Amino acid sequence: SAVISQKPSRDICQRGTSLTIQCQVDSQVTMMFWYRQQPGQSLTLIATANQGSEATYESGFVIDKFPISRPNLTFSTLTVSNMSPEDSSIYLCSVRQVHSYEQYFGPGTRLTVT
Amino acid sequence: TQLLEQSPQFLSIQEGENLTVYCNSSSVFSSLQWYRQEPGEGPVLLVTVVTGGEVKKLKRLTFQFGDARKDSSLHITAAQPGDTGLYLCAGEDGGTSYGKLTFGQGTILTVHP
Repeated sequence: SAVISQKPSRDICQRGTSLTIQCQVDSQVTMMFWYRQQPGQSLTLIATANQGSEATYESGFVIDKFPISRPNLTFSTLTVSNMSPEDSSIYLCSVRQVHSYEQYFGPGTRLTVT
Repeated sequence: TQLLEQSPQFLSIQEGENLTVYCNSSSVFSSLQWYRQEPGEGPVLLVTVVTGGEVKKLKRLTFQFGDARKDSSLHITAAQPGDTGLYLCAGEDGGTSYGKLTFGQGTILTVHP
């Protein structure tokens, strides 16, 4: 299984600011995803991070709010822009190899917006 | 949009008891994954089931995928306090949704010594 790290592990941010979350994997992976887990809720897919091209967003999520980069096969960033208290969540990076059914998650970034 | 209904939402039992968690859907999944998540951590993959009727065992945990690949169950035998945590099922419908998991609402399990 891949070892996934995320930075920061947690942050408290003010309304209207932006935060960039980093996801680093210890090996090259085909697919990377970003999920959100709101307080007391389950996980929801935000987008698929595509290497060298624009991310693919799920319904309800837009690039202007959650810009994503994936410059190579081991690294991705998610930015939460113009934050509001409703963005307070745990943001999780997830990885998977093509031809594998196993999908792994990072430790998450706990974001609180005040 | 596929939906996964997970039950029960909460489970509080004594050490040594058995329990079963269910995930049900009206949709067919190409695979289904079970995760366990502890506070402050990301979900940890327990098992992936792919074939209808498949049964997988992981020590005291038994996972089953329904014949029609629409439902799954997790059975824990002789639960221990270390089993306490949030259990999540997640299904994938394959094809263009490869890697896009639909999660159940989770089951918070508490095992009392």
